[in-house]
Amino acid sequence: QKEVEQNSGPLSVPEGAIASLNCTYSDRGSQSFFWYRQYSGKSPELIMFIYSNGDKEDGRFTAQLNKASQYVSLLIRDSQPSDSATYLCAGRRGFQKLVFGTGTRLLVSP
Amino acid sequence: GAGVSQSPSNKVTEKGKDVELRCDPISGHTALYWYRQSLGQGLEFLIYFQGNSAPDKSGLPSDRFSAERTGGSVSTLTIQRTQQEDSAVYLCASSLEGGEGRAGMETQYFGPGTRLLVL
Repeated sequence: QKEVEQNSGPLSVPEGAIASLNCTYSDRGSQSFFWYRQYSGKSPELIMFIYSNGDKEDGRFTAQLNKASQYVSLLIRDSQPSDSATYLCAGRRGFQKLVFGTGTRLLVSP
Repeated sequence: GAGVSQSPSNKVTEKGKDVELRCDPISGHTALYWYRQSLGQGLEFLIYFQGNSAPDKSGLPSDRFSAERTGGSVSTLTIQRTQQEDSAVYLCASSLEGGEGRAGMETQYFGPGTRLLVL
């Protein structure tokens, strides 16, 4: 079992819809979780991080964390074609390495 | 301010040659990480520096891989006797760590990567 698991996709949504990206993790010691966006041929860029159970909103993005279920998600409202990318979920224990999932490819069609 | 920079951006080498990859972290960031991303794969952790010391080298694939960091700043990842399976994008990240209570301090910011191709 991988420490961080994501569905590889692609997840296809029409423009303006809500995209829901999901991630599960196996290490209960993980304390913080990060969502990175990676365009093809580019390096990952941070979208959001979350530490506490519940929701955290930033513009069109909402991260959700459920530690009991070991589940992290990212919602993208009003999806745009420019949101088409691979979304990487990562967990971390304190000041240690990020453990990444393999990413979910999102396609937003005009 | 300047982000994480890496050089070279691309490197093509012949099997058996040694290569050096450089990372210049964000100024003031004490932590530095090296990751590797093979085609179509997720990011694989290689090594972590806190200052000039490396508390976690667990991801280095073999003794052909080594890394150092000097002056708490620039880091060099060296791959000796390169093999074709070493071909990947090598990504460096840095974070501002130390102290407590500031959420997000451990957020890692990535450089543009070095694309290594071993022929």
